[in-house]
Amino acid sequence: GAGVSQSPSNKVTEKGKDVELRCDPISGHTALYWYRQSLGQGLEFLIYFQGNSAPDKSGLPSDRFSAERTGGSVSTLTIQRTQQEDSAVYLCASSLGPRGGRYEQYFGPGTRLTVT
Amino acid sequence: AQKITQTQPGMFVQEKEAVTLDCTYDTSDPSYGLFWYKQPSSGEMIFLIYQGSYDQQNATEGRYSLNFQKARKSANLVISASQLGDSAMYFCAILYSFNKFYFGSGTKLNVKP
Repeated sequence: GAGVSQSPSNKVTEKGKDVELRCDPISGHTALYWYRQSLGQGLEFLIYFQGNSAPDKSGLPSDRFSAERTGGSVSTLTIQRTQQEDSAVYLCASSLGPRGGRYEQYFGPGTRLTVT
Repeated sequence: AQKITQTQPGMFVQEKEAVTLDCTYDTSDPSYGLFWYKQPSSGEMIFLIYQGSYDQQNATEGRYSLNFQKARKSANLVISASQLGDSAMYFCAILYSFNKFYFGSGTKLNVKP
């Protein structure tokens, strides 16, 4: 079956531009997470969506970052006025969530963002 | 605050031998889950194994087993019969409150032929 997909796989943008990163979770997965991973580092939690509940935005580093999830499926992470420190790999993950009783996350291949 | 610690930035193991990757955690929640993920050089995160805080037995998945010592708050990953393809970064993670995931800083495992 199809796994989590992300697009684009690579994105190079100029400082100050806005970018949109897309995530398609596994069908039927109600939970969706966004993480950021800088080179050689662990994963930094950004935002969590569960079904139709209000998202947990506690990990977003600044108000330049926002995310939405339409129809409980596809999610878009938007970074406005990008800065060089935003350069990282952005990973999306989905899971069955609490109702499914299975909490392991399945990750997409990531989007490598480079801000020049 | 929830915290997860991996103290071994890098490890070497001889092919076909077993290796233990350390993970300790700190949480006041009685209910939590512990996970291990593998990240090869290709970058994708691969789920390996899960242990619930109320599980009585240590989790096992093929060559992977989780040495869960609740009182010591440790959840070490044991890989038996290492293979060259096991060379990768390994991340320990804790889940609490059903949605809060925290990842450790990772351990880079190199399997030598």
